[in-house]
Amino acid sequence: GAVVSQHPSWVICKSGTSVKIECRSLDFQATTMFWYRQFPKQSLMLMATSNEGSKATYEQGVEKDKFLINHASLTLSTLTVTSAHPEDSSFYICSASDSGIGRFETQYFGPGTRLLVL
Amino acid sequence: GENVEQHPSTLSVQEGDSAVIKCTYSDSASNYFPWYKQELGKRPQLIIDIRSNVGEKKDQRIAVTLNKTAKHFSLHITETQPEDSAVYFCAARSEGNNRLAFGKGNQVVVIP
Repeated sequence: GAVVSQHPSWVICKSGTSVKIECRSLDFQATTMFWYRQFPKQSLMLMATSNEGSKATYEQGVEKDKFLINHASLTLSTLTVTSAHPEDSSFYICSASDSGIGRFETQYFGPGTRLLVL
Repeated sequence: GENVEQHPSTLSVQEGDSAVIKCTYSDSASNYFPWYKQELGKRPQLIIDIRSNVGEKKDQRIAVTLNKTAKHFSLHITETQPEDSAVYFCAARSEGNNRLAFGKGNQVVVIP
C-alpha cells in the first residue's frame, strides 16, 4: 500500500520550454501532496504544498508563476515548470500524505523526475 | 519555522557494527519524527518514525530514540550490512503543520 508514482521519470528539454510532471497516489487518496527539489548530494527542499481543490502554498523564494501546481483530484497533482532554464535542472520529487485529516500524516515519496534543461 | 540539524554528515562503519545518527530540532511543538533512507538516484523511503508520546521505537535492526527535553532524536542501526549504505534523512513536523522539515542528510557507508 501507499504507492506514489511520478511521470515522466526523466526529461530533457530545450531552454524556454515548459515541462509538466505528474504525481499520482495509486492506492490511497491524498488531500495533500508536496513538491520537493533535490540537487546532487543535498537535502530535500520543499517547494510547495499542494492541496486538492485549492491553491498551492509556496515556500519562500519559490516563484509560483514559474512552478505551476494543480491538484485537481484526490490522486493527482501536477507541477509545470514554465519557461525552463538550465538552472531549473534538478531532481523533482513529490510526496503524498495518506490522510488529509488528522494529526499524524505519513508522507510517501514518488520515484522522482530528473529534469535536464539544455 | 522548524530547523533540523543532522550529525555527522558522513559515517563509515564496518559491516556488523552499529551506526548511530543524531538529529536535533528547534521547535518544541514538533511531535512527529520520521527517518527516510535514500539510495543513489532513488526515492526516499520511510524506514521508521516516532511520535512524541513515546521515547523509543524498534523495528528489527532499526531503532529510533527521542529525547523531547533535549530536543534530539537518533537513529540506531545494528548489525549493519552493505545494503544499509545510503543517505539517511531525519525530519520533524510540528502539530498543526503538515510540512516536514528535513535535515541535510547523512551518508552511511558500510564497509564489507
